[in-house]
Amino acid sequence: DAKTTQPPSMDCAEGRAANLPCNHSTISGNEYVYWYRQIHSQGPQYIIHGLKNNETNEMASLIITEDRKSSTLILPHATLRDTAVYYCIVRGFGNEKLTFGTGTRLTIIP
Amino acid sequence: GAVVSQHPSRVICKSGTSVKIECRSLDFQATTMFWYRQFPKKSLMLMATSNEGSKATYEQGVEKDKFLINHASLTLSTLTVTSAHPEDSSFYICSATTGTGDNQPQHFGDGTRLSIL
Repeated sequence: DAKTTQPPSMDCAEGRAANLPCNHSTISGNEYVYWYRQIHSQGPQYIIHGLKNNETNEMASLIITEDRKSSTLILPHATLRDTAVYYCIVRGFGNEKLTFGTGTRLTIIP
Repeated sequence: GAVVSQHPSRVICKSGTSVKIECRSLDFQATTMFWYRQFPKKSLMLMATSNEGSKATYEQGVEKDKFLINHASLTLSTLTVTSAHPEDSSFYICSATTGTGDNQPQHFGDGTRLSIL
């Protein structure tokens, strides 16, 4: 599976949009981009995933660049409960495994 | 939907005892379940993959005789840490997926914090 690169930490003001970048420059054509988050002392929570089109659900939006080498997770109106470690993971076709990197620690500031 | 329940959430026991952790998919049938381990301030490490009715597949470096995994039904997998020692203390997390289609997400339990005295 392609390796991902994320900034180790980010801050965002409460009520603003949080934009979390992820670089996956070696992604191949049949690999999906998944986003999970882990709030302290809990299991990871699935957020969203996509292949090449932008995706939106009730939690977030996922913007994937046309060349698919990077993506951005957008939390449109961040709240204090969005403080967590966010993981961007690329999962290969036919591979059910997830390989977690170090993620981005997002802190929402009141 | 897609709720995974893990039990117990916390366990403290003496060195040498065996500890069983249960992982249940509450509202879907999980053909595949995964077990992870997480040390403080570290990321999740996959320990093993289990498919219903077959033997688990362990990741390199994980002792299968130490960490026994049973996936007897489509809604239950168990991890037994045998003869636990202090170095086995960790946060253990399970996940489950329907496994149907290549873009099905894994859904995670809330983890079990194991402390061996």
